[in-house]
Amino acid sequence: GAGVSQSPRYKVAKRGQDVALRCDPISGHVSLFWYQQALGQGPEFLTYFQNEAQLDKSGLPSDRFFAERPEGSVSTLKIQRTQQEDSAVYLCASQLVGGSTGNTIYFGEGSWLTVV
Amino acid sequence: GNSVTQMEGPVTLSEEAFLTINCTYTATGYPSLFWYVQYPGEGLQLLLKATKADDKGSNKGFEATYRKETTSFHLEKGSVQVSDSAVYFCALSVFSSASKIIFGSGTRLSIRP
Repeated sequence: GAGVSQSPRYKVAKRGQDVALRCDPISGHVSLFWYQQALGQGPEFLTYFQNEAQLDKSGLPSDRFFAERPEGSVSTLKIQRTQQEDSAVYLCASQLVGGSTGNTIYFGEGSWLTVV
Repeated sequence: GNSVTQMEGPVTLSEEAFLTINCTYTATGYPSLFWYVQYPGEGLQLLLKATKADDKGSNKGFEATYRKETTSFHLEKGSVQVSDSAVYFCALSVFSSASKIIFGSGTRLSIRP
């Protein structure tokens, strides 16, 4: 498809399980962002990639959160030893060129994570 | 730091009513300003944007003007429709190597037929 694709759309994990969330950005987009959106809140920045380089990971809430984009295209957000406070929608977004606020950032539909 | 404050919801209006959703911001430097919309069951979509002071962004009958003197970017629409029911997010981005977007907490809008 032409948009940002995320999988799985819905994930239920038991507390303590590891989860992996995948993002397929728009083809050719250099920049990739991950956001976390808690229920009733706005999205909060987690991390940013330019190609395969992770240039900003200041928003990752703990060392249980890890993101990678090894070939500069598909990205995976991994959460280890999930806890209930990790329950949220995880949004991926891509942008054609980084470092320009004029370029539109396109969001995927999100992966809804529920930790029970 | 950079932040966005927007009107708390939910906001409920009748069809054809006038809409205003207030948004103010704090930013170091000169941000670009955005309104994003999230329809039920769908992803975030850019509704409109403005990249410098006094610019007006517009789309689908919605408008917002970048007011540097009041650090505001209020969203307006003259006549709302049921199909406008959604959550609206005000956001900003400051030029940098990352240009990440910082969002407000969102305003849920419901339009009664």
